[in-house]
Amino acid sequence: QVQLVQSGAEVENPGASVKVSCKASGYTFTDYYMHWVRQAPGQGLEWMGWINPNSGDTNDAHLFRGRVTITRDTSISTAYMELRRLRFDDTAVYYCATGDPHLEYWGQGTLVTVSS
Amino acid sequence: EIVLTQSPGTLPLSPGERATLSCRASQSVSNSYLAWYQQKLGQAPRLLIYGASRRATGIPDRFSGSGSGTDFTLTIGRLEPEDFAVYYCQQYGSSQWTFGQGTKVEI
Repeated sequence: QVQLVQSGAEVENPGASVKVSCKASGYTFTDYYMHWVRQAPGQGLEWMGWINPNSGDTNDAHLFRGRVTITRDTSISTAYMELRRLRFDDTAVYYCATGDPHLEYWGQGTLVTVSS
Repeated sequence: EIVLTQSPGTLPLSPGERATLSCRASQSVSNSYLAWYQQKLGQAPRLLIYGASRRATGIPDRFSGSGSGTDFTLTIGRLEPEDFAVYYCQQYGSSQWTFGQGTKVEI
């Protein structure tokens, strides 16, 4: 069965960077784009971007352009999302999700807290 | 980017009642690439409907989706206790994917 397992919770200072990983199993990693979606406390879902694991091409949401980098390592079926210049309002649960192309499979989420 | 507006924000209903949720797009969603997700507190979203009207694997048939262009609807035929949750629409027809702000179905 498809599984997406994300890295653990992080606490970062404002201005720092965070990198969250998402390890895929149960399917061929290069078959589906991997997306990142975040959810601030008590708020809705916000799409951040995707990576084509086959080519490495990415497409970032305009809101995050210049601050987010999505990468992958096909040898270990893992995608990464790095967010730079963190602000207090980046505190959120970050999800990876995949599907064909709708988001049928989701990771468990990674809480990133930005705090001084 | 396409803005999705969901209504109502909150929908108070009782078990056994029918729920009708609306999602309106600021411009036409190409190929009806519109999905609906259910999210319960502390859980990741769960795909219910894709392609505007196709049920995802394992989704009960009391969930149905309809619509095209700019107007889409999620209908829950008879609410079960486990259906009380937040529902999001999402479009994937443009290069910039977007979600609606959500509708909370509550008792």
